[in-house]
Amino acid sequence: DAGVTQSPTHLIKTRGQQVTLRCSPISGHKSVSWYQQVLGQGPQFIFQYYEKEERGRGNFPDRFSARQFPNYSSELNVNALLLGDSALYLCASSWTGGRFEETQYFGPGTRLLVL
Amino acid sequence: AQSVTQLDSHVSVSEGTPVLLRCNYSSSYSPSLFWYVQHPNKGLQLLLKYTSAATLVKGINGFEAEFKKSETSFHLTKPSAHMSDAAEYFCVVITITGTASKLTFGTGTRLQVTL
Repeated sequence: DAGVTQSPTHLIKTRGQQVTLRCSPISGHKSVSWYQQVLGQGPQFIFQYYEKEERGRGNFPDRFSARQFPNYSSELNVNALLLGDSALYLCASSWTGGRFEETQYFGPGTRLLVL
Repeated sequence: AQSVTQLDSHVSVSEGTPVLLRCNYSSSYSPSLFWYVQHPNKGLQLLLKYTSAATLVKGINGFEAEFKKSETSFHLTKPSAHMSDAAEYFCVVITITGTASKLTFGTGTRLQVTL
């Protein structure tokens, strides 16, 4: 079975631009979460979606938004890019996303560089 | 709030010697804890998870961790390090809020394995 896939793998943008990152979960998984990993730090939670509804949001500005589609894939959008948005953006999928024992499976990430 | 603290930012061992990566947790209830590994330029891979069953948890690639409530610890160990174990390791706690779950990561421990 295919794992979590993300596209693109790398992206270079300039300050003020907008970016869209894409994620396809493992087949059968209905929940997708997004994390930001700045160089040298652990990932930080951005969003969680389940059945197209936002379930949770981390401490990120409104420039960050996301959505989930009927096929459970997801997009993360970031507007008005800042240099500090440069990071590895990770997508994770799970069956429901709402249980303690449930594992979240991560994709390889999209590395975003803002110049 | 749930949190984890990784006590060492960098650990260096010789190939064939034991590995110990330390993690303490803070939680107002019995936590679910995970260890993930991240190889350079790769996504996160689950090593093992604790969800209030057996306190000694066995994972992939010979790793195991012991949940000690009295010490609020969840240290990761391996009897004999291999060169391929060199990577960044993250201790993680899951937080459930309503129907949402999020992973809170420690700051990471970089494991170096030398010949």
